[in-house]
Amino acid sequence: ETGVTQTPRHLVMGMTNKKSLKCEQHLGHNAMYWYKQSAKKPLELMFVYNFKEQTENNSVPSRFSPECPNSSHLFLHLHTLQPEDSALYLCASSQDPGPQETQYFGPGTRLLVL
Amino acid sequence: EDQVTQSPEALRLQEGESSSLNCSYTVSGLRGLFWYRQDPGKGPEFLFTLYSAGEEKEKERLKATLTKKESFLHITAPKPEDSATYLCAVQAGNNRKLIWGLGTSLGVNP
Repeated sequence: ETGVTQTPRHLVMGMTNKKSLKCEQHLGHNAMYWYKQSAKKPLELMFVYNFKEQTENNSVPSRFSPECPNSSHLFLHLHTLQPEDSALYLCASSQDPGPQETQYFGPGTRLLVL
Repeated sequence: EDQVTQSPEALRLQEGESSSLNCSYTVSGLRGLFWYRQDPGKGPEFLFTLYSAGEEKEKERLKATLTKKESFLHITAPKPEDSATYLCAVQAGNNRKLIWGLGTSLGVNP
């Protein structure tokens, strides 16, 4: 595997379900991010982890719970979601600090909440 | 307020018809401007980073330029496989958070 991988690629869940999204980066980076991408909106940063420590939480509802067990893995645990949470969830990683803090993205998980 | 605006929202070109996409920004203390390409249902793919006014970078048919107020992504003799949404993002000040534009959806007809 190379780059940033995400599983599953597609997920359909009911509002009472609990599911988890997984992200793994193979780039040796130390920072990882969760983004939400909805139609007609710019990418919304949800969480940032640096060296496994959460450094940013952009007022995300508690029904989204991130977990970062090490610098290569990132999870997003989902429970009691709402239909408006349907979106493409993107994971990214970067080397921070560094001469170029470019973020590299995974393919995303397309989530549909019924 | 820091802001990134991309134009046009959508653009359709004929194969071989060169054009430019615009990303204008209003931020305090630009640290970097990033261009990404995104295909439907996929994650953004990194293209370029520009750090200072006057800087230019090229990759195949794409060339990115930067001024103090905006960046252009020039597409020379595009091909249908260049069809995608092109996203611009800016990093400013001491904040590592990226400020994103809404993107330009580019379609290239064969």
